[in-house]
Amino acid sequence: AQKITQTQPGMFVQEKEAVTLDCTYDTSDQSYGLFWYKQPSSGEMIFLIYQGSYDEQNATEGRYSLNFQKARKSANLVISASQLGDSAMYFCAMREGRRGGADGLTFGKGTHLIIQP
Amino acid sequence: GAVVSQHPSRVICKSGTSVKIECRSLDFQATTMFWYRQFPKQSLMLMATSNEGSKATYEQGVEKDKFLINHASLTLSTLTVTSAHPEDSSFYICSAPRGREGIRGAQYFGPGTRLLVL
Repeated sequence: AQKITQTQPGMFVQEKEAVTLDCTYDTSDQSYGLFWYKQPSSGEMIFLIYQGSYDEQNATEGRYSLNFQKARKSANLVISASQLGDSAMYFCAMREGRRGGADGLTFGKGTHLIIQP
Repeated sequence: GAVVSQHPSRVICKSGTSVKIECRSLDFQATTMFWYRQFPKQSLMLMATSNEGSKATYEQGVEKDKFLINHASLTLSTLTVTSAHPEDSSFYICSAPRGREGIRGAQYFGPGTRLLVL
């Protein structure tokens, strides 16, 4: 079974609209972390936001927020007031709790977001 | 600014040659670094964990004799693709974990290396 599932291969959104990118995860660990990264066409991975499994509040970073629903194992990314520069691939990723920072991330397949003027 | 660098950013080589890719943490020490591979229009797949002072640990299905990893110092890990073949053509990207505002396991990624094997 996939550990990270992103069900939207591609999305088209009008500029200035809000957009939600879906992510569900599967883990039996109690301690884990969820990340969202943006990858523009240049290939660099840009960290956007993080949610720890024990965090009670949803994470927010500027225009990005993470809608964390632990019981449903979902960690959707919400981008408010989308901009043309938001067009990119977006990846949801998970760090499982075995060794904290010494574990690599598991990535979803990504969502290609295109913002239209 | 960038905190993890990779060199080279792009390499084209002939089939059968070996290619070395360097990953450096710029202003912090990293006892652990990670190597990922990304094929076109696909996700990043963890290949291996590079450990300073000990052997790298490889993910299932990754040939350790083909992808040699050396964590030479606390700021440098190298990935050598030995006897490269066209199917090894991919985007290789490294990352290093760094404490970041209390984010456990946060990773900074290098800019990646595009490898094309002819």
